[in-house]
Amino acid sequence: AQKITQTQPGMFVQEKEAVTLDCTYDTSDQSYGLFWYKQPSSGEMIFLIYQGSYDEQNATEGRYSLNFQKARKSANLVISASQLGDSAMYFCAMREGKLKAKGAQKLVFGQGTRLTINP
Amino acid sequence: NAGVTQTPKFRVLKTGQSMTLLCAQDMNHEYMYWYRQDPGMGLRLIHYSVGEGTTAKGEVPDGYNVSRLKKQNFLLGLESAAPSQTSVYFCASSYSRSRGAGEQYFGPGTRLTVT
Repeated sequence: AQKITQTQPGMFVQEKEAVTLDCTYDTSDQSYGLFWYKQPSSGEMIFLIYQGSYDEQNATEGRYSLNFQKARKSANLVISASQLGDSAMYFCAMREGKLKAKGAQKLVFGQGTRLTINP
Repeated sequence: NAGVTQTPKFRVLKTGQSMTLLCAQDMNHEYMYWYRQDPGMGLRLIHYSVGEGTTAKGEVPDGYNVSRLKKQNFLLGLESAAPSQTSVYFCASSYSRSRGAGEQYFGPGTRLTVT
């Protein structure tokens, strides 16, 4: 079964509009973390935002916010006031289990959403 | 501060040839990872390391070997390349303790084609 599901293969948005990228996850762990990464056409993976399963508030980083709905197991990325430079692939990823002092963070990635911002 | 670097950036191999991909990080991270990215798919973990001299299998380890002889370097080897190993390979590293998100920092990737 897919642990991370991104149902939108592609999205097209007008510049300056807000956009929501969907991510649902599947885990039986109580403690986990959710990440969003951006991959521009140049290929590198850029960390955007993180949400821990016990965090009471939704994470925000500048124009990025994470709409975390634990009961629905969703962790949607919201980009406000989109810019042309936001055009990229976006990946949702999950770390299952606690963030330990001694223990690698194994991430499971979704298939990604290609976001295109139109001028 | 170069972050995570990967060598080479591109490589074409014939079936059965061997090669080693080098990953280096200058952030003093304990943990390092190798992923592959195939078209239409997210990244999948091949192997990872929690410290110098230690390695462990990830989700798709078959056909690959790794070594971590120095803390800053993580090598990925293909002993006998197959066309199914055509992919983009990413190296990543992260802190060992819970600093913030414990996010992984990625290298620029190596595009490997096996003919």
